[in-house]
Amino acid sequence: GQQVMQIPQYQHVQEGEDFTTYCNSSTTLSNIQWYKQRPGGHPVFLIQLVKSGEVKKQKRLTFQFGEAKKNSSLHITATQTTDVGTYFCAGSFNQAGTALIFGKGTTLSVSS
Amino acid sequence: GAGVSQTPSNKVTEKGKYVELRCDPISGHTALYWYRQSLGQGPEFLIYFQGTGAADDSGLPNDRFFAVRPEGSVSTLKIQRTERGDSAVYLCASSFDPNYGYTFGSGTRLTVV
Repeated sequence: GQQVMQIPQYQHVQEGEDFTTYCNSSTTLSNIQWYKQRPGGHPVFLIQLVKSGEVKKQKRLTFQFGEAKKNSSLHITATQTTDVGTYFCAGSFNQAGTALIFGKGTTLSVSS
Repeated sequence: GAGVSQTPSNKVTEKGKYVELRCDPISGHTALYWYRQSLGQGPEFLIYFQGTGAADDSGLPNDRFFAVRPEGSVSTLKIQRTERGDSAVYLCASSFDPNYGYTFGSGTRLTVV
């Protein structure tokens, strides 16, 4: 079936270091979304990427969508303790954008 | 309402029992989704409603699972003859447009003992 693979599964960084999580699919995606889930919480929408090669920024977060629309990345510059949580990518495989398929997530821990 | 509301927040049931989980989406959101999430995993798609109809139920694992949304707002996920493997957090999400981000509820933690 259609899957979205995400690496790494876990990442620990010192506060101030950068962090990147990668997402890829064997099938072209119509769009990809990113979510953050804090410990004990529920996923919260961060952003959607639609266009090939698209790059979007939110403060210290940079999101990229690959040229072939099969991969994506989230990069956090100068991590803070508030960045702790699990980051999920979620891909849509059809034009209607229904039924997002989530990756397994990357859990980020940050020590000060 | 201001957010997606799910009840109950926790449900413990015995193996073989029937359970219903309720989701009250954001007012005006026509799209409603059910996912379930096991520990350490990403949300797993179950079913998607557009209005009153199930637009995609391909994620329902077997015929013990069923969901309805009779008036296009509140939805109920029904699980018959529960099994221990059904234990998970069941998440509901809604969206005003399937091409935009989902707003998730806080989930129902189902434990089958």
